[in-house]
Amino acid sequence: AQSVTQPDIHITVSEGASLELRCNYSYGATPYLFWYVQSPGQGLQLLLKYFSGDTLVQGIKGFEAEFKRSQSSFNLRKPSVHWSDAAEYFCAVGAASGSARQLTFGSGTQLTVLP
Amino acid sequence: GAVVSQHPSWVICKSGTSVKIECRSLDFQATTMFWYRQFPKQSLMLMATSNEGSKATYEQGVEKDKFLINHASLTLSTLTVTSAHPEDSSFYICSAPRTRGTDTQYFGPGTRLTVL
Repeated sequence: AQSVTQPDIHITVSEGASLELRCNYSYGATPYLFWYVQSPGQGLQLLLKYFSGDTLVQGIKGFEAEFKRSQSSFNLRKPSVHWSDAAEYFCAVGAASGSARQLTFGSGTQLTVLP
Repeated sequence: GAVVSQHPSWVICKSGTSVKIECRSLDFQATTMFWYRQFPKQSLMLMATSNEGSKATYEQGVEKDKFLINHASLTLSTLTVTSAHPEDSSFYICSAPRTRGTDTQYFGPGTRLTVL
């Protein structure tokens, strides 16, 4: 069975600083990896995803993530954080389930942005 | 873009009553939908996979007789929490993956259930 570990429960950064959120996964086959952001009162929004190909993927809102098979990692990065980025971030790995994929989520990382 | 809606967004009910939560895909058809539960400050836990026209598949430890799932059409899945108890209070989220294209899932905004 697949699993996802997000080692950092809570991260605080200053606005304008760089950000890296860690994600490690365990999956027996080629993983399908996702990063989602959850803001209060809103549904999960997909930031980016990795299925295959280029291991550095670009997402929305200036986020990017790099898939490193040797380290079983898919860390999320942003060069300059904005106050609006404060939210909960979830890494997820997808497994095939018929015509669609079940997602297994990490425990999440709460991001606080200081002015 | 794809939109998934949930209704109601929040509900308060008395212990012992049943509550129905709807999940709709608004601009695409979804033969499969997923239901998740999220407790405060915790991650999303998959409860069940809802399949249009067939029985839902429940994850281990989820009582199928308590959490009834009906996927009667390609755009609607419902989750009914039967005889709800305070421990069922949680945030329930559905997702509807596209069956074509990149297979990305779209999430509903969630339903906050509070059982008194």
